[in-house]
Amino acid sequence: AQSVTQLGSHLSVSEGALVLLRCNYSSSVPPYLFWYVQYPNQGLQLLLKYTTGATLVKGINGFEAEFKKSETSFHLTKPSAHMSDAAEYFCAVSDGDFGNEKLTFGTGTRLTIIP
Amino acid sequence: DTEVTQTPKHLVMGMTNKKSLKCEQHMGHRAMYWYKQKAKKPPELMFVYSYEKLSINESVPSRFSPECPNSSLLNLHLHALQPEDSALYLCASSPGRESNEQFFGPGTRLTVL
Repeated sequence: AQSVTQLGSHLSVSEGALVLLRCNYSSSVPPYLFWYVQYPNQGLQLLLKYTTGATLVKGINGFEAEFKKSETSFHLTKPSAHMSDAAEYFCAVSDGDFGNEKLTFGTGTRLTIIP
Repeated sequence: DTEVTQTPKHLVMGMTNKKSLKCEQHMGHRAMYWYKQKAKKPPELMFVYSYEKLSINESVPSRFSPECPNSSLLNLHLHALQPEDSALYLCASSPGRESNEQFFGPGTRLTVL
């Protein structure tokens, strides 16, 4: 079974500082990988996804992630944190055929922004 | 319309009640999903409907009964729930064979007394 591991359940960064959220995956086949963000009392919003092709993926709100097969990693970064980035971030891996896929989420990282 | 809607936003029910959660999308998506999310935990998949047929049931107790009346609508019928079933219930949809991107609704916050 495919799985993802997120290192660090909490991360605090200063406003304007680099954000780095770590995700490592375990998969026997090329994975489909996603980063979702969840604001308090809301559903999940897709930040970006990796399917095939370019290993550097750009998403919404200035976030990007790089797929590194040799390191089995898909870390999420943002050069300069903003107060509005405070939220829970989930890395996820997809398994199964399109239209019948199972998303397995990491345990999440809560990002706090320090003014 | 590019969103998934869920009703109600909040639901409080007793252990003997019968209630239903509703999810709707008008994006022409052919796959719909129910997830359960406990506080401070990631979402966990419960059911998948693919082209209006139940394709995945993640060993969910029978007190949860899903229904997909048509390709735009997904229901979750609840009966004889336990307090430990209190959680945020999230619905999602995905296009089908051309993409595996899932779009999530805002969720229904369920409290079982």
